[in-house]
Amino acid sequence: EVQLLESGGGLVQPGGSLRLSCAASGFTFSYYAMSWVRQAPGKGLEWVSAISSSGDTTYYADSVKGRFTISRDNSKNTLSLQVNSLRVEDTALYYCAVRRTGSYFDGWGQGTLVTVSS
Amino acid sequence: QSALTQPRSVSGSPGQSVTISCTGTSSDVGGYNYVSWYQQHPGKSPKLMIYDVDKRPSGVPDRFSGSKSGNTASLTISGLQADDESDYYCCTYAGTYTRWVFGGGTKLTVL
Repeated sequence: EVQLLESGGGLVQPGGSLRLSCAASGFTFSYYAMSWVRQAPGKGLEWVSAISSSGDTTYYADSVKGRFTISRDNSKNTLSLQVNSLRVEDTALYYCAVRRTGSYFDGWGQGTLVTVSS
Repeated sequence: QSALTQPRSVSGSPGQSVTISCTGTSSDVGGYNYVSWYQQHPGKSPKLMIYDVDKRPSGVPDRFSGSKSGNTASLTISGLQADDESDYYCCTYAGTYTRWVFGGGTKLTVL
């Protein structure tokens, strides 16, 4: 069974930084591409970033490009998202998600909450 | 990349059928057979219900079905049950640059 456990969220001032992590288990982490998807309070889902199984290819939504960096450590089954220059509009629950067999997300974590406020 | 367009809410009585639409463009919904649908109960993580337009993951009841015509995808839920009351999101792969786009979400109320 896929298990994804996010951590690292918190309250940060505008312009600040955080490092989000996602610990994966229940599947062979190194085989699959991973993504971060966020959900602002009371709002819909927004894809944020993705990384290939090897980590050599990354993708970002325009809204976070240049500020967020996705990475992974396949030896530790861990996905990370470094979030810099945070804005109020980045306030959201950040989910990590796995794509194991196609262009859809078949496993989701419980999310970690990032709140950007002065 | 703009979000895909979904109705904000739909409703139906137990036993009835409802359909939720998801409209995009030829660059996303119309360009790929990679539409997926997710159910999200309040305070819970999204759950995959439909993938590749019309395929159901193991464990999802056959009351849930998906389809696509042109730039619009649809999720149909037949034989509505109280537990179907939830938010539903469509999503599609949108190419090498944009990658994935979600719909704004639809709140399903079972009357």
